[in-house]
Amino acid sequence: DLQMTQSPSSLSASVGDRVSITCRASQSIRSYVNWYQQKPGKAPKLLIYAASSLQSGVPSRFSGSGSGTDFTLTISSLQPEDFATYYCQQSYSTPWTFGQGTKVEIK
Amino acid sequence: QVQLQESGPGLVKPSGTLSLTCAVSGGSITSNNWWSWVRQPPGKGLEWIGQIYHNGGANYNPSLKSRVTVSVDKSKNQFSLRLSSVTAADTAVYYCARVGHWNFDFWGQGTLVTVSS
Repeated sequence: DLQMTQSPSSLSASVGDRVSITCRASQSIRSYVNWYQQKPGKAPKLLIYAASSLQSGVPSRFSGSGSGTDFTLTISSLQPEDFATYYCQQSYSTPWTFGQGTKVEIK
Repeated sequence: QVQLQESGPGLVKPSGTLSLTCAVSGGSITSNNWWSWVRQPPGKGLEWIGQIYHNGGANYNPSLKSRVTVSVDKSKNQFSLRLSSVTAADTAVYYCARVGHWNFDFWGQGTLVTVSS
C-alpha cells in the first residue's frame, strides 16, 4: 500500500498565523493528493483536490502545492474556524490511503 | 446537492456481521461516480474500506477484503456494507462517501458502530 506520512502530527498557532502542513508519499503519486478538514464529531470536508485545486466553496486562504512525493497544505491566515484536524489522502492507486492527520490547535 | 445518510445497528456482537446502508439523495447512484465506505476508530485516523459502481463492480482494501462486501440497490438509490467476523478492532465511526474526481467530495454524517457483547 502507498504510505502517506504527514508532519507535524500537531501544531499550535494563533489567529492570523500562516500555517503549513506537509505530506510525503512513499512513492511518486504525481498530483493525486487531496486534503480534508475534520472537526470533532463531524465528517471530513474536502478542501483541496489534485494537489492544488480549491474545492468549490472553500475559502481562498487554503492552498495546496506539490507533486511527486512531497505535498503541502497552507493556510495563509489562520481563522478561528480553522482549528481542526487535517488529513491528506492519495488517489493514485487503491487502496486509497490517508495520512495520520495533523491537529491544529489554538496557541 | 448530493446528501448521504448512513443507517444500521449501533451495536454488534463479536464474531457477528456489521451491516450498514447509505441512502443517497439529491443525485442518482447511477451517476458516473463510485460510492465508498470509510471508517475511523475512536480518536484515530481514516481507513478506506471499499467502493462500488452502480454496475456492481467493486474493489476493497486488501486488509479487509476477506470480510467485506459492498453492494448497490439502484431501485432504492442506496448502497450497503457488510463486514463479517467483527472484533473490537472494528469499533469505529463508519462513513459513506461519494467518489468525485478521484476524491471523496460528499460524505454522510457517520454512524458509530460498537462491537461488544
